[in-house]
Amino acid sequence: DIVMTQSPDSLAVSLGERATINCKSSQSVLHSSNNKNYLAWYQQKPRQPPKVLIYWASTRESGVPDRFSGGGSGTDFTLTISSLQAEDAAVYYCQQYYSAPRTFGQGTKVEIK
Amino acid sequence: QVQLQQWGAGLLKPSETLSLTCAVSGASLSDDYWSWIRQPPGKGLEWLGETILGGTTTYNPSLMGRVIMSLDTSKNHFSLELMSVTAADTAVYYCAREVDHFDSWGRGTLVTVSS
Repeated sequence: DIVMTQSPDSLAVSLGERATINCKSSQSVLHSSNNKNYLAWYQQKPRQPPKVLIYWASTRESGVPDRFSGGGSGTDFTLTISSLQAEDAAVYYCQQYYSAPRTFGQGTKVEIK
Repeated sequence: QVQLQQWGAGLLKPSETLSLTCAVSGASLSDDYWSWIRQPPGKGLEWLGETILGGTTTYNPSLMGRVIMSLDTSKNHFSLELMSVTAADTAVYYCAREVDHFDSWGRGTLVTVSS
């Protein structure tokens, strides 16, 4: 199984400031056939299902604000919220879909400072 | 817009079988992979498996052969059965459409296993 490890487990950021979450996979999720990273990011708020923000490591889902961006390749990835808004308080997960079983990071809780 | 509506029993006793169904609207079961994912209270997400019409159903080996996923194209819904449940299977269970990533999710069903 590919193990996904996020850091930090939690962070508190002031409104308008930048938040950065890291995700590391135990093996590369970059597929050589199409040069795509099989990595997605989700946001989950209490009592709601996760919502996809980013897929292919850096493609923003339709309707997701452009303050959310994804980067990285191979085994190291980041999710950046460029200017934190109150509604961004949530838990964020990375997930690999390179191979089965699909696996998620343990989650990073973002709070407003 | 794809919508997933799920239902099933929320309280089970140990050794019973968990059974959940997810109805799909706005998409055809024939076109994509359909998955189940669970989340124990206060914990992270665990993928249980995926199924596709006419293709291979793949399960998470962690479930040790206790799981069956199926599709019913006549009703446009898909189902999960998890046998011999224990307290460790207590979780919110989500159905989801898998288009590489998971782009549409059900609202979740809390299943509690308790004697």
